Amino acid sequence: NAGVTQTPKFHILKIGQSMTLQCTQDMNHNYMYWYRQDPGMGLKLIYYSVGAGITDKGEVPNGYNVSRSTTEDFPLRLELAAPSQTSVYFCASSYPGDANTGELFFGEGSRLTVL
Amino acid sequence: GQNIDQPTEMTATEGAIVQINCTYQTSGFNGLFWYQQHAGEAPTFLSYNVLDGLEEKGRFSSFLSRSKGYSYLLLKELQMKDSASYLCAVTDSNYQLIWGAGTKLIIKP
Repeated sequence: NAGVTQTPKFHILKIGQSMTLQCTQDMNHNYMYWYRQDPGMGLKLIYYSVGAGITDKGEVPNGYNVSRSTTEDFPLRLELAAPSQTSVYFCASSYPGDANTGELFFGEGSRLTVL
Repeated sequence: GQNIDQPTEMTATEGAIVQINCTYQTSGFNGLFWYQQHAGEAPTFLSYNVLDGLEEKGRFSSFLSRSKGYSYLLLKELQMKDSASYLCAVTDSNYQLIWGAGTKLIIKP
């Protein structure tokens, strides 16, 4: 099982450019999330989705957009990149339910630098 | 507001026992998670508590007291590979995960 796959793993972006971070999961999880993690800080939720066609804002959505056209894919779009968006981005998925803990499965992370 | 507190950094000796505390104030409670995160890697699931008491899983145990808003992660027989950050996270009444900033655990020989 591949689990949660994120691409790219590293990227340098210029101020004002746009890009998309890709995230795919093969576990048929209905919940998917995008987090950012700054050095020495906890995870901040950017956007999440509870199923195909449904997305919602998290704690820090400004400057980002998402879509969820399929159960498997949950891309994160950065529009007009700013230095404040330099961070490590994690995609995660889960399958909450009475029979399990609803633990999150994370991708390996995408390290983004905006210069 | 919602808040999770854990120590920023702890140091322990290989072979010893260490307890990492987590206190939380959230709007409702639907479970508490502990995750391990090695430097430069993604978090990985360690434990889940939803009822009061101790959950044991090998060298790792996690305790929860809902009335006190308190949990701890106990690591026994510490190994060098246990050097990592340990993240506490609580699911609130809306089933949103609230994350602590993490505790960096340094293991010395």
